[in-house]
Amino acid sequence: GAVVSQHPSRVICKSGTSVKIECRSLDFQATTMFWYRQFPKQSLMLMATSNEGSKATYEQGVEKDKFLINHASLTLSTLTVTSAHPEDSSFYICSAREGTSGLYTQYFGPGTRLTVL
Amino acid sequence: SQQGEEDPQALSIQEGENATMNCSYKTSINNLQWYRQNSGRGLVHLILIRSNEREKHSGRLRVTLDTSKKSSSLLITASRAADTASYFCATASGDSSYKLIFGSGTRLLVRP
Repeated sequence: GAVVSQHPSRVICKSGTSVKIECRSLDFQATTMFWYRQFPKQSLMLMATSNEGSKATYEQGVEKDKFLINHASLTLSTLTVTSAHPEDSSFYICSAREGTSGLYTQYFGPGTRLTVL
Repeated sequence: SQQGEEDPQALSIQEGENATMNCSYKTSINNLQWYRQNSGRGLVHLILIRSNEREKHSGRLRVTLDTSKKSSSLLITASRAADTASYFCATASGDSSYKLIFGSGTRLLVRP
């Protein structure tokens, strides 16, 4: 089956620093990738939709300058949390949609736990 | 934004019993999907049901969809301790982004 990886799986950083999270589709080309955040014991909240070669579409309330998304290739999307603060601590999950089949199926990465001190 | 609510929020059952989780949503959909998430892990896709389908089976899973009531249910039969996880429904709408909007989730505990 389709596999999506995320790196790093865990990151701890100091307040004010920037953190980059990578999302890769390992065995398929992902024309669209999605970024979610999840607080403890809560649901996934969609942050943005990322299409290869174009600007990401952010959901209402998500600061695009705070959460920079780059989808430079069909297998890689990155989320950079800029000037991170403790309230950005969360579980970030990406997913990828295969462009040619599985029209409505998204494959999820294992998530990245971000802790900002 | 969150599409809808799931109930119950938490469910504790004995191994071997059936578990039923319900999901309600607000807008028209193309399909509804159910996912499982083990604690601190990513999501595993369980089953997809299209808006023109009423029921679907996959192994011990049975999903129903009632578009008139904008609701769906997930039944896990003969539950096992390994089924312990959080279960989320997610809806896909008709726009070209195919984005999923997740429900609030049900935390299932299956006691051995």
